[in-house]
Amino acid sequence: DVKVTQSSRYLVKRTGEKVFLECVQDMDHENMFWYRQDPGLGLRLIYFSYDVKMKEKGDIPEGYSVSREKKERFSLILESASTNQTSMYLCASSFSDSSYTFGSGTRLTVV
Amino acid sequence: QKEVEQNSGPLSVPEGAIASLNCTYSDRGSQSFFWYRQYSGKSPELIMFIYSNGDKEDGRFTAQLNKASQYVSLLIRDSQPSDSATYLCAVNYDMRFGAGTRLTVKP
Repeated sequence: DVKVTQSSRYLVKRTGEKVFLECVQDMDHENMFWYRQDPGLGLRLIYFSYDVKMKEKGDIPEGYSVSREKKERFSLILESASTNQTSMYLCASSFSDSSYTFGSGTRLTVV
Repeated sequence: QKEVEQNSGPLSVPEGAIASLNCTYSDRGSQSFFWYRQYSGKSPELIMFIYSNGDKEDGRFTAQLNKASQYVSLLIRDSQPSDSATYLCAVNYDMRFGAGTRLTVKP
């Protein structure tokens, strides 16, 4: 089975902190994605990557950055966390022509 | 911005009934369509995908695609309480998702 592992299930951070969310997949997928999920808004795409060192903005990239130094790892960075970034963050990966496999999610609370 | 919209929920059906979930999309060039199921507190999991116009059946699930009208639907026959979840429609491999429809199947 493909595994997409997110480093933390729950995270509490203070306003202004720099936050790293890590995602690792073990199936050599080219594509990796970061979403946030909020009630009533569904899944919104933050950033995605089709290859190592490549990144593309999604629909809501403001306040976030990403890093993909290795194929299996895609990190989401909150440069200065704010309370409106409290959310569930989901990582996913896929081959070019296939559906996604999601990680189990990180519920981030910014206080 | 490319948009994916799903019929507003929540949707409640009795056990054994057919549940019908609908999704429309704005990008006429879209080629691939996916339905995911998400149980409360869990990650989405793929249940169906469809690429061609018409119907695709998998057990109790049928996906229907009409590219001319730009909609895709999911039918769940003989609905069970275990089908109670949020169903997400996704379009293309850079996956824009709809907001989801929460389905409740009442025993």
